[in-house]
Amino acid sequence: GDSVTQMEGPVTLSEEAFLTINCTYTATGYPSLFWYVQYPGEGLQLLLKATKADDKGSNKGFEATYRKETTSFHLEKGSVQVSDSAVYFCALSPPLAGGTSYGKLTFGQGTILTVHP
Amino acid sequence: ETGVTQSPTHLIKTRGQQVTLRCSSQSGHNTVSWYQQALGQGPQFIFQYYREEENGRGNFPPRFSGLQFPNYSSELNVNALELDDSALYLCASSTRDGIKEQYFGPGTRLTVT
Repeated sequence: GDSVTQMEGPVTLSEEAFLTINCTYTATGYPSLFWYVQYPGEGLQLLLKATKADDKGSNKGFEATYRKETTSFHLEKGSVQVSDSAVYFCALSPPLAGGTSYGKLTFGQGTILTVHP
Repeated sequence: ETGVTQSPTHLIKTRGQQVTLRCSSQSGHNTVSWYQQALGQGPQFIFQYYREEENGRGNFPPRFSGLQFPNYSSELNVNALELDDSALYLCASSTRDGIKEQYFGPGTRLTVT
């Protein structure tokens, strides 16, 4: 079945450092790929998405590129801020329209990011 | 525009009891999905409702059941609670056409003792 693997955490960085969180996936066909962020005590917020190979999703300085050849969707940000401290989840949604897996999100285990001033 | 809301925020139940969690979808959204997030883990898909019918289910036993109402709000019911049911339960809503963009509520934290 579908699965998502994220790099082990937690990740601790100083403000303005470069961030990479690795994400690889296993799925049939061309799933849609997502990054969600969860701030303490809150639900998940969609950070960015990509729906086809070579697409780049971007938002709030974060970006990720859908790499079919390496089945990866790594999250990057050039200069992190203290306010970026949160848990980041990589997720996929299968390509099927209809059927029992329609719209089902499969998540990775999450990566805790802490940014120090 | 009102976002996804869930109630209650927290609750504590005893093993063997039953619980009902509630979700109001975002305005204009007709599809609701439920997820279970155990501590330190990613969310796991429980099931999805569309047009008041279950439309997809994850690897959860039948004691996890749900409802969707004509106003698209939804309930998650869990019978015969077990200690492992302790988790954050997340509801997400979307339009059918925009199902790949799901909007999550803040969750209900369930503790089973």
